[in-house]
Amino acid sequence: GAVVSQHPSWVICKSGTSVKIECRSLDFQATTMFWYRQFPKQSLMLMATSNEGSKATYEQGVEKDKFLINHASLTLSTLTVTSAHPEDSSFYICSAESLGHTEAFFGQGTRLTVV
Amino acid sequence: AQKVTQAQTEISVVEKEDVTLDCVYETRDTTYYLFWYKQPPSGELVFLIRRNSFDEQNEISGRYSWNFQKSTSSFNFTITASQVVDSAVYFCALHGGYNKLIFGAGTRLAVHP
Repeated sequence: GAVVSQHPSWVICKSGTSVKIECRSLDFQATTMFWYRQFPKQSLMLMATSNEGSKATYEQGVEKDKFLINHASLTLSTLTVTSAHPEDSSFYICSAESLGHTEAFFGQGTRLTVV
Repeated sequence: AQKVTQAQTEISVVEKEDVTLDCVYETRDTTYYLFWYKQPPSGELVFLIRRNSFDEQNEISGRYSWNFQKSTSSFNFTITASQVVDSAVYFCALHGGYNKLIFGAGTRLAVHP
């Protein structure tokens, strides 16, 4: 099946710094990428949807200035957590779809810890 | 509105027992897709199955089987002869007309030796 690679798998950063998470589709062109956040023992909550070459669409309650999403190519989307705070500590996971296909392929996830 | 309900928060069974994970969904779309994913402790999501709304045939894959009933808007997942390696969180998800995957709250399955 299709492969989506997410990097890094875990990161620890200091409060106030920014962290960038990459999501790459390795063997298909991802016209749409999704970013989810998952708190411990909770479900995946969609943060935003990004289509290649256009601005991301954020879900209600998600600060777009804090969670910057860039989908500059058909194989790469990035999520940057700006000025991170401890409450941003969470598991972030991306998924990618190609045009006309409804099956989303998920990255391995990134565990962010802000200290 | 689209919604997925997994009423069972946690299930605990002993190895070799059969276990059924329930999933009930809501959607106004006539065309939609239903999924099951497994999330082991490592965190990655493992795709298990996709079913489209026009295919109500039940499916069996090894020890796994799925029962899709449109009349009750349910898509239940049964593991036969459970094993310790089946311990994980299982998510049911719905993909409808809004190009989004809506996840249920998940069911944490613990299989004890």
